[in-house]
Amino acid sequence: KAGVTQTPRYLIKTRGQQVTLSCSPISGHRSVSWYQQTPGQGLQFLFEYFSETQRNKGNFPGRFSGRQFSNSRSEMNVSTLELGDSALYLCASSLFGLSSYNEQFFGPGTRLTVL
Amino acid sequence: DQQVKQNSPSLSVQEGRISILNCDYTNSMFDYFLWYKKYPAEGPTFLISISSIKDKNEDGRFTVFLNKSAKHLSLHIVPSQPGDSAVYFCAALSGNTPLVFGKGTRLSVIA
Repeated sequence: KAGVTQTPRYLIKTRGQQVTLSCSPISGHRSVSWYQQTPGQGLQFLFEYFSETQRNKGNFPGRFSGRQFSNSRSEMNVSTLELGDSALYLCASSLFGLSSYNEQFFGPGTRLTVL
Repeated sequence: DQQVKQNSPSLSVQEGRISILNCDYTNSMFDYFLWYKKYPAEGPTFLISISSIKDKNEDGRFTVFLNKSAKHLSLHIVPSQPGDSAVYFCAALSGNTPLVFGKGTRLSVIA
């Protein structure tokens, strides 16, 4: 079974630009969650999508948004990029989602650098 | 306010010895705890978990201990191997909340 894939793997943007990251979950998984990893803050939850609906949201500004398509693929968008948005963005998929205590499988991440 | 804390950013252990990674939490509603391992350029991978109804869970060389009264859990790796060198994240969950992660501990196992 193919794992979670994320594209692109690396991205360099400048302040003020916007960026879209993509995540393809494991086949059959309906939940996709997004996390931001930075050296100072560790892994922080951004949001979770389940069957195309946002089900949970972390404490991030509205510049961070996401969506999920009918095939469970998910995209995350960050608008008006700031230097502090430089991070590794990870997505994770699971069968039933965060509230069901089932295992999440992480992708390799997208390394975003904002200059 | 960090609900899950890993107070040791790094740990070095000799091959064959025990590695003990610690994690503290503040939210008494957490009832499920997980450890993830992360190598560079890869996503975290699930290692072991424990429900709050237990105080110990073992899987091969890995054992997780939970002390609910102290709101503390630890991961023991015995014996430690060079391939165990990675960043270890502790995470906690309750029924209605997303996973809350600690900041991670970098383990280096020296041959």
